[in-house]
This record gives sequence, structure tokens and C-alpha cells, in this order.
Amino acid sequence: DSGVTQTPKHLITATGQRVTLRCSPRSGDLSVYWYQQSLDQGLQFLIQYYNGEERAKGNILERFSAQQFPDLHSELNLSSLELGDSALYFCASSPHSEGPQETQYFGPGTRLLVL
Amino acid sequence: AQKITQTQPGMFVQEKEAVTLDCTYDTSDQSYGLFWYKQPSSGEMIFLIYQGSYDEQNATEGRYSLNFQKARKSANLVISASQLGDSAMYFCAMREGDTGRRALTFGSGTRLQVQP
Repeated sequence: DSGVTQTPKHLITATGQRVTLRCSPRSGDLSVYWYQQSLDQGLQFLIQYYNGEERAKGNILERFSAQQFPDLHSELNLSSLELGDSALYFCASSPHSEGPQETQYFGPGTRLLVL
Repeated sequence: AQKITQTQPGMFVQEKEAVTLDCTYDTSDQSYGLFWYKQPSSGEMIFLIYQGSYDEQNATEGRYSLNFQKARKSANLVISASQLGDSAMYFCAMREGDTGRRALTFGSGTRLQVQP
């Protein structure tokens, strides 16, 4: 158990809908990262938050947004869902933000299926 | 160009034998970190081992060791005494330091199957 929690574990929805994925980082970790794992794109970085502020953006679509709350939990909002958004969405956390040596610990993921 | 290359889509190994999973990387940064993660069929990503670009010794964690060859830009994972529970996908990842890039870049993974 990494200490990172994600809910829900599974999500089935329809095209055009909006969903919210939730992540609680490990105790004491200030950074939260969101990754998407799909069969065709592999594991891709979406966005990072550090202590409530956006720190880095990856290949995140405009239909997707995220935020980190004062209690450090984070939510990833996916809207106008398309079939291609079906994927495993991971949240990871690390103590800080800087330094290549920071290990990111991953949550169990949310498996999203868009029908 | 691919930042992380894992050339072995699938590998088989006999139980109790050692296996090496290949990983090469590409970066112009002097400071970077290399990571290996394991993803069992249940889906979670489990951190295994870390190697820093300035580390002079190869990293080891129990049955896992990292064969780091900086000049060749390779960071191969060695699993000794394979167990059936080692069957999983293994991902090599890099975090670059000089450019301030904070996210991990992952390779495409190697599926390891341990045979009894």
C-alpha cells in the first residue's frame, strides 16, 4: 500500500458526460501528479500540483482540469467525455516538487470506461 | 526521439533464475533520476528502485538491482531469484532535473512472465 488513495476504483459513463476523480496523497506529501495510461499512448503525464498551485502541465486536454485543495487532496475533472478517454488514471504524490531524486508513489488508479 | 526505450515487449524467465530488463534513456541534463516501477495485473504501480545520475554505486533493493551505465545511457533492472509473483509489467521512468521538468517520463514497458 503506497499510502495514496484514489476514488472511485472504477467508473463507467457515457460519451458527453463529465466525471470527477479524487486523490488523497500520502501524509506529508505536497505534490500531486496525474497520469493517464491508455493502450495506445502508454503512461502520460497530465498535470502537477504543489501545495495548492499548478506547477507543471503535460499532455492534458482542454476538456480536462484539475485542482488541489487546502487539505492537499486533488480532483481531476474530465468533461465532454469521448470514447478515447477510456483509460486508467493514476494519481501520484511526492514530498516536494524539485529534484530529480523525488520518488513518486502511485495510487491504485481509477479505471474509466466511456461507452 | 524517445526519452525512455524499453526494447523487450515481453520476457520469460524460469522461477529462481535471474533476469535483466533493458532500459535506455536520452537526456541532455546532467542531473536526472531513473526509476523502475512494477505493474501487476491488478493495475497498481509499485515503486521498485531509484538511481540518481550522480550516484557512483548501482542501486540495490532486496532482489532488485539497477545496472547503471551512464556513458551508454542505460539503466537495466536485474531481478535475482525470480518468483512467480514477479510476473507483471515493468516500467522504466526518468525524471530530468536540470530543466526543472518534474514529471516522470515512462517507457513502453516489458511484460515479464515467470514460469514454474
